[in-house]
Amino acid sequence: VQLVESGGGLVQPGGSLRLSCAASGFTFYDYAMHWVRQFPGKGLEWVSGINWNSVNIDYADSVRGRFTVSRDNAKSSLYLQMNNLRPEDTALYFCVKDPTPDSSAWGDFDYWGQGTLVTVSS
Amino acid sequence: IQMTQSPSSLSASVGDRVTITCRASQTIGNYLNWFQQKPGKAPKLLINTSSSLQSGVPSRFSGSGSGTDFTLTISSLHPEDFATYYCQQSYSSPLTFGGGTKVEIK
Repeated sequence: VQLVESGGGLVQPGGSLRLSCAASGFTFYDYAMHWVRQFPGKGLEWVSGINWNSVNIDYADSVRGRFTVSRDNAKSSLYLQMNNLRPEDTALYFCVKDPTPDSSAWGDFDYWGQGTLVTVSS
Repeated sequence: IQMTQSPSSLSASVGDRVTITCRASQTIGNYLNWFQQKPGKAPKLLINTSSSLQSGVPSRFSGSGSGTDFTLTISSLHPEDFATYYCQQSYSSPLTFGGGTKVEIK
């Protein structure tokens, strides 16, 4: 299993970024996927989850209405569109695989990428 | 659901028995996972559903508990076990993590 994130960088408050995650080594469309972030102080926060067919999607309250998760099963890729970014969104963003396909029993994060750093600052 | 870990850090020696606790703000059954994170690396799933050891994880690691109180035990600390450990509940959304326990060398 390999998960490779990209798209992070420095952005001004109010700006946008789109993160991508390229997955390989497993049948991508069989599993739910998540984004989890780690703040500079090292705390971890689940950001969003999406089930195998994109029908079930959920967000942390801190990002709901600003972030949009999506996936392209044909490309084995996961995305996170981040709009109206705030300084408190500064974090390392991890792409994370779930061992189940759907949201009914998700939440065991069995494989993680190495993360992409997002810095929101003027 | 708020997850509270204790202690936030501890110092121990190779060979010591180490216990980390995690408390949920409401009952979560056995929907509790433990992760290990080393500097510069992503978290690694050690234990899921409170006590199920992931494949390849040494048997010196064990987890227990249900409801609101959980423990991670390392029976005999090895040099490679010095890391930060996080608990996480998968009972309900939003999925939440504890604040972490840093295990340092005494």
